[in-house]
Amino acid sequence: DAGVTQSPTHLIKTRGQHVTLRCSPISGHKSVSWYQQVLGQGPQFIFQYYEKEERGRGNFPDRFSARQFPNYSSELNVNALLLGDSALYLCASSLGQSNQPQHFGDGTRLSIL
Amino acid sequence: AQSVTQLGSHVSVSEGALVLLRCNYSSSVPPYLFWYVQYPNQGLQLLLKYTTGATLVKGINGFEAEFKKSETSFHLTKPSAHMSDAAEYFCAVSDRGYSSASKIIFGSGTRLSIRP
Repeated sequence: DAGVTQSPTHLIKTRGQHVTLRCSPISGHKSVSWYQQVLGQGPQFIFQYYEKEERGRGNFPDRFSARQFPNYSSELNVNALLLGDSALYLCASSLGQSNQPQHFGDGTRLSIL
Repeated sequence: AQSVTQLGSHVSVSEGALVLLRCNYSSSVPPYLFWYVQYPNQGLQLLLKYTTGATLVKGINGFEAEFKKSETSFHLTKPSAHMSDAAEYFCAVSDRGYSSASKIIFGSGTRLSIRP
């Protein structure tokens, strides 16, 4: 079975632009979470979506938004990009809202110029 | 609020030597505890987890960790290091509330290097 897949793998944007990152969970998983990993740090929680509803949000500005589709795939949107948004964005899926463990994709490397 | 502290941003051991990566956590409620490994240009892979029951948890690739409530620690060990163990290791904690999001709080990571 395929694991969590994320696209694109790499992305280069300039300040002020917006970006959409995509994630497909493991088949049968209904929960998707997004994390931001800045170079040299551990991942930080951005959002969790379960059954197409937001179930949790980390300490990120409103420029960050996400949604989950009926097939449980998810998009993370970031508007008005800043240099500090450069990071590896990780998607993780799990069976239920609070089921562990979470299975991570390989991430999208976002670079802001 | 939950938090995780990993002692030592970089640990270097010789091949065949004991690996010990230290992790202390803070949580107001009994937590779930995890160790994840990240190889270069890859996502995170779960090594092991503690949820309940036996405090010594065995994971993949010969790693194990012991939950010590009195010390609020969850140190990761492996008796004999292999070159393939070189990677970044993250300790993590989450709460066990079924009405809450599955938010995982990660430590800042420990880079493990293996000397030939």
